[in-house]
Amino acid sequence: EAEVAQSPRYKITEKSQAVAFWCDPISGHATLYWYRQILGQGPELLVQFQDESVVDDSQLPKDRFSAERLKGVDSTLKIQPAELGDSAMYLCASSPTTSSGYEQYFGPGTRLTVT
Amino acid sequence: AQSVAQPEDQVNVAEGNPLTVKCTYSVSGNPYLFWYVQYPNRGLQFLLKYITGDNLVKGSYGFEAEFNKSQTSFHLKKPSALVSDSALYFCAVRVGYNTDKLIFGTGTRLQVFP
Repeated sequence: EAEVAQSPRYKITEKSQAVAFWCDPISGHATLYWYRQILGQGPELLVQFQDESVVDDSQLPKDRFSAERLKGVDSTLKIQPAELGDSAMYLCASSPTTSSGYEQYFGPGTRLTVT
Repeated sequence: AQSVAQPEDQVNVAEGNPLTVKCTYSVSGNPYLFWYVQYPNRGLQFLLKYITGDNLVKGSYGFEAEFNKSQTSFHLKKPSALVSDSALYFCAVRVGYNTDKLIFGTGTRLQVFP
């Protein structure tokens, strides 16, 4: 069964450093999402791509976070500089397309710890 | 404001007994509702969804959920709980018509005791 791949699974970094996460969605899925899940809370959408275009990045802290999906396939989420409050699980998800009611398929996540 | 509420932080049930995990929502228009399950240090796994049609939706692993429009609820149920069902359960609702943005509840931890 096809799965969403994410790496690394765990990342420890010092504050003010740069960090990057990678996601490879299920083959053929046009829509890709990045979520942040703080311990004890539900996931919160950071950015949504349809192919290589950003559909929604209203909750992305653009002063330090950036996301790209250059060829409309895999994606990278970057934080620079990292802050203590960025410690969380970062989840990537994909779905066949947008506005269709399709469920989203989630990867295993990257757990970030900022020290 | 559009939101999802899961009023119980934790639900405890004995193995073999029926279980219910509660979810209520507030959204404009017709809701698209989802249930996901999360095991420790893992991503979310899709269980079931309601888009339209029959108010009783059947999903993975024997779970089902009942959509109640008048009570704006979408409770997750299972007739007979298993110890392996112990996990964190999230209810979510789609918001917006041009995106698939999901708003998640805060989660309910289900503990099934042998």
